[in-house]
Amino acid sequence: QVQLVQSGAEVKKPGASVNVSCKASGYTFTNYYMHWVRQAPGQGLQWMGFINPSGPSGGSTSYAQKFQGRVTMTRDTSTSTVYLELSSLRSDDTAVYYCAQEGAYCSGATCVNYFDYWGQGTPVTVSS
Amino acid sequence: DIQMTQSPSSLSASVGDRVTITCRASQSISSYLNWYQQKPGKAPKVLIYAAASLESGVPSRFSGSGSGTDFTLTISSLQPEDFATYYCQQSYGTPWTFGQGTKVEMK
Repeated sequence: QVQLVQSGAEVKKPGASVNVSCKASGYTFTNYYMHWVRQAPGQGLQWMGFINPSGPSGGSTSYAQKFQGRVTMTRDTSTSTVYLELSSLRSDDTAVYYCAQEGAYCSGATCVNYFDYWGQGTPVTVSS
Repeated sequence: DIQMTQSPSSLSASVGDRVTITCRASQSISSYLNWYQQKPGKAPKVLIYAAASLESGVPSRFSGSGSGTDFTLTISSLQPEDFATYYCQQSYGTPWTFGQGTKVEMK
């Protein structure tokens, strides 16, 4: 069965960087895009971007404009792990960060993509 | 960016009630619309994808409908385990965006 296991909670100071990992198992790692979604306390869900683990040179990526310049998503195919690095942290980056495997439903020539499996979430607290 | 607007933001209902949540997109997204359920302290879970397709293992009391800009999630007979927050999400174009959520509470 598909499992996504994330690294543990982090506490960081403003201006620092955080690195969150997501180890995948139960499927062929390079066959599915992996997304990152975050949720601030008491708030809704916010998409951050995705990585295509099969891409060359560390995998191809697409990031939400809001995070451009501060976010980096990478992967290690030898350990089936994806990583999220967020730099120049601010207090409003305090959130639970989730990895989510992309699924697809195809009917004819149309495929609708969605978040199929989720990690358990990694709380990140940014505080001085 | 495509804006997703859910209504209501919260609702109170009783076990056995029929519950309807709506989601409106700021532009046409065809059927690129998914619904998730989230319980406190847990990751979201997909219920419906492609507007109307039920995820394997999800009870048949959940159903989705709509196309274009207007979508609906219906719970035909609310069960105790259904008290949660529900989110719609579009995958028509990046950035993928979510509605603000609808919290279903016990009356």
